[in-house]
Amino acid sequence: ELKVEQNPLFLSMQEGKNYTIYCNYSTTSDRLYWYRQDPGKSLESLFVLLSNGAVKQEGRLMASLDTKARLSTLHITAAVHDLSATYFCAVDRDTPLVFGKGTRLSVIA
Amino acid sequence: EPEVTQTPSHQVTQMGQEVILRCVPISNHLYFYWYRQILGQKVEFLVSFYNNEISEKSEIFDDQFSVERPDGSNFTLKIRSTKLEDSAMYFCASRDTNLADAKNIQYFGAGTRLSVL
Repeated sequence: ELKVEQNPLFLSMQEGKNYTIYCNYSTTSDRLYWYRQDPGKSLESLFVLLSNGAVKQEGRLMASLDTKARLSTLHITAAVHDLSATYFCAVDRDTPLVFGKGTRLSVIA
Repeated sequence: EPEVTQTPSHQVTQMGQEVILRCVPISNHLYFYWYRQILGQKVEFLVSFYNNEISEKSEIFDDQFSVERPDGSNFTLKIRSTKLEDSAMYFCASRDTNLADAKNIQYFGAGTRLSVL
């Protein structure tokens, strides 16, 4: 059974600081996704990582994938308040997606 | 940009009542999914649908649940007799059949919040 573990589950960080969210998964997968969810809203696709060593960046967010370690990271650089949301990683192996529990990020002044 | 549309955005119902949640997937997609998210918890897979039949379902998707593609555009989730624990956000998703698209992204709708009283 494919399991996805995220940590931390809650993260409060100051504006301007850097931090990393971790996503571990239990078995080989085809793709790893990062989603953002604002309260009461849908899931917004941030990144799709397909292969070992893949790195993608969008603004202050950078995601990487190490398939050998079965680990993905989402790095936040110089956090700003607008990044406050819940971030989910999800893994699929011939679909459907298996989600982690999410990391609730609060960026404070 | 094409999007997955879900209606209603919020459904309130009494325990034991039937509800139908509606989804209009992206027009050229042929793989459809329903997921559920209980408040404050992770997103859980319910069922996938392809070629007018269920291709996979989770343990959550018991006999109280059914899915249907009644016409060429809609994809529905029916809960026959709702329970308090069915209260959740229900997301519909669809996927392109283009296997050359290695990203194979599932696009999610905005969700229907179901409140069972």
